[in-house]
Amino acid sequence: QKEVEQDPGPLSVPEGAIVSLNCTYSNSAFQYFMWYRQYSRKGPELLMYTYSSGNKEDGRFTAQVDKSSKYISLFIRDSQPSDSATYLCAMIGNSGGSNYKLTFGKGTLLTVNP
Amino acid sequence: DAGVTQSPTHLIKTRGQHVTLRCSPISGHKSVSWYQQVLGQGPQFIFQYYEKEERGRGNFPDRFSARQFPNYSSELNVNALLLGDSALYLCASSLSRGTGNSGNTIYFGEGSWLTVV
Repeated sequence: QKEVEQDPGPLSVPEGAIVSLNCTYSNSAFQYFMWYRQYSRKGPELLMYTYSSGNKEDGRFTAQVDKSSKYISLFIRDSQPSDSATYLCAMIGNSGGSNYKLTFGKGTLLTVNP
Repeated sequence: DAGVTQSPTHLIKTRGQHVTLRCSPISGHKSVSWYQQVLGQGPQFIFQYYEKEERGRGNFPDRFSARQFPNYSSELNVNALLLGDSALYLCASSLSRGTGNSGNTIYFGEGSWLTVV
């Protein structure tokens, strides 16, 4: 079993739709959860950073973490064509051997159609 | 402020050759990490360097090596290149070694695209 599972998609939605992206994980040492956006042939750009369980909102983006279920989500409201990219979830621990490296999902390719 | 800068952006090498990739972290950041991203996959951790010492290593062969310089910039070296080494190599920087607070987030450069033929 991979440490982080993410449905690679592709996911295609009409402009204005609400998008839900998800990851599950198996390592209970993960404490910090991130979402990165990666445009084609570019480096990952940090979108959201969440510590432990709970919700965090930033503009049209909401990140949710449920540590009891080992499940994280990213919601995009009023999606725009400029949101078309690959979305990567990433996780990191806070102690010992897991606090210095990010573990990524495979990424979900999202296309928002005008 | 400049972000994480990497060079070269693209390069093509032949099997068996050696490659050196370079990275300059964000000003003030002392930690540099290297990741390999194969097409269609998420980035995989290769190395972390902090204060010029290797602090972590991923599951990569000894053909991969790196170092960090006094100005915190870093090089990734790959010897005896294989076709499977073709990937986007990403450099990431952060303030300190591990996570301890929301200030120690990890930022990536645009990467170096390596094609091995």
